Amino acid sequence: AQKITQTQPGMFVQEKEAVTLDCTYDTSDPSYGLFWYKQPSSGEMIFLIYQGSYDQQNATEGRYSLNFQKARKSANLVISASQLGDSAMYFCAMRETEIRTNTGNQFYFGTGTSLTVIP
Amino acid sequence: EPEVTQTPSHQVTQMGQEVILRCVPISNHLYFYWYRQILGQKVEFLVSFYNNEISEKSEIFDDQFSVERPDGSNFTLKIRSTKLEDSAMYFCASSEGRGNAADTQYFGPGTRLTVL
Repeated sequence: AQKITQTQPGMFVQEKEAVTLDCTYDTSDPSYGLFWYKQPSSGEMIFLIYQGSYDQQNATEGRYSLNFQKARKSANLVISASQLGDSAMYFCAMRETEIRTNTGNQFYFGTGTSLTVIP
Repeated sequence: EPEVTQTPSHQVTQMGQEVILRCVPISNHLYFYWYRQILGQKVEFLVSFYNNEISEKSEIFDDQFSVERPDGSNFTLKIRSTKLEDSAMYFCASSEGRGNAADTQYFGPGTRLTVL
């Protein structure tokens, strides 16, 4: 089974509108972290936001917020007031923690969602 | 703001040649990583490195690959004999090493490797 699933290959949003990018995950580890990264056409990976499995509140970072629904194993990214510069690929990622050995450093990435902001 | 840097930004090589991709992680970070992204596909983990040794590696990271921290700042990925299927964007990342799930990895701008 895929660790991270992003079912929206492409999304369009009108400038200044909000958009939700979906991410579901699969893990049996009680301790994990969920991350979103933005990849513009230039190729770099930019960290946006983090949500921990034990966090009681949804994470927010400026215009980015994470709609974390633990029971449904979903961690959707919400971008409010979209801007033209938000056009990019967006990747959801997860890190598990093997509690016994404190290993599990690798990130598992989804296939990404290409967001296009329309003026 | 400190950032991960990578050189070169683009490397073109002939099949069978050795390449070395270089990275300078964020200075106070303890964990270092290499990932690759084949064009149009998702980012895949290759290897993590801590305390001068590999802490974890994926199935992709076979005997053709090696990593090294030759000095106090650089972190390198060597591919001994490149194959066409090694063509990809290679990302270096680093993290503080908090030892828990909150350990955010910060990525460099990537090196695009093209094998001809």
